[in-house]
Amino acid sequence: AQSVTQLDSHVSVSEGTPVLLRCNYSSSYSPSLFWYVQHPNKGLQLLLKYTSAATLVKGINGFEAEFKKSETSFHLTKPSAHMSDAAEYFCVVTPASGGSYIPTFGRGTSLIVHP
Amino acid sequence: GAVVSQHPSWVICKSGTSVKIECRSLDFQATTMFWYRQFPKQSLMLMATSNEGSKATYEQGVEKDKFLINHASLTLSTLTVTSAHPEDSSFYICSAPRPGANNEQFFGPGTRLTVL
Repeated sequence: AQSVTQLDSHVSVSEGTPVLLRCNYSSSYSPSLFWYVQHPNKGLQLLLKYTSAATLVKGINGFEAEFKKSETSFHLTKPSAHMSDAAEYFCVVTPASGGSYIPTFGRGTSLIVHP
Repeated sequence: GAVVSQHPSWVICKSGTSVKIECRSLDFQATTMFWYRQFPKQSLMLMATSNEGSKATYEQGVEKDKFLINHASLTLSTLTVTSAHPEDSSFYICSAPRPGANNEQFFGPGTRLTVL
């Protein structure tokens, strides 16, 4: 079994300030973890992924995330928010191998960026 | 990177008609595809798992006779919303895991269905 908890439904930041979107997971298997971004009326775009290699993962648009097994967390960060980062962000977990690979989604976090 | 397409990107139909949505993996073979429904300001809700050459697996509460899924080839899955009603209006998204990609999902761009 697996689950994902995105702790914040909304995060509001000012342009140029750091972004932190929190994600905790549970999984019976070694997990693969992903962050996706969705702009209004668009599909999901992969930001970054953890697949049992380096625990600090760098993604597109300056985002990065750190896999912390002891804390079962995979928080998404960015040093400086840009207006174009305003969107919905989803944390997703699947088994890295074996078992059912149906992805489990977090509820999503809406990132609001103020000028 | 891997690409998944959906067609149409949006559709408006009258109540009682049926609508077919296509999901294609353009550069890899997908024995499994997933269909999701997304309401405004909410996460994706898995509707069903589409399996090439066999019956789809529906999530609890999803009517299989209402949402017909056909996965006739390794690159195409279709979702048909039969006898659509206004409450079926939603954003429908498909995804497919690419073999060898650690179960990374490649998402289609979504289809906005509006039933009048």
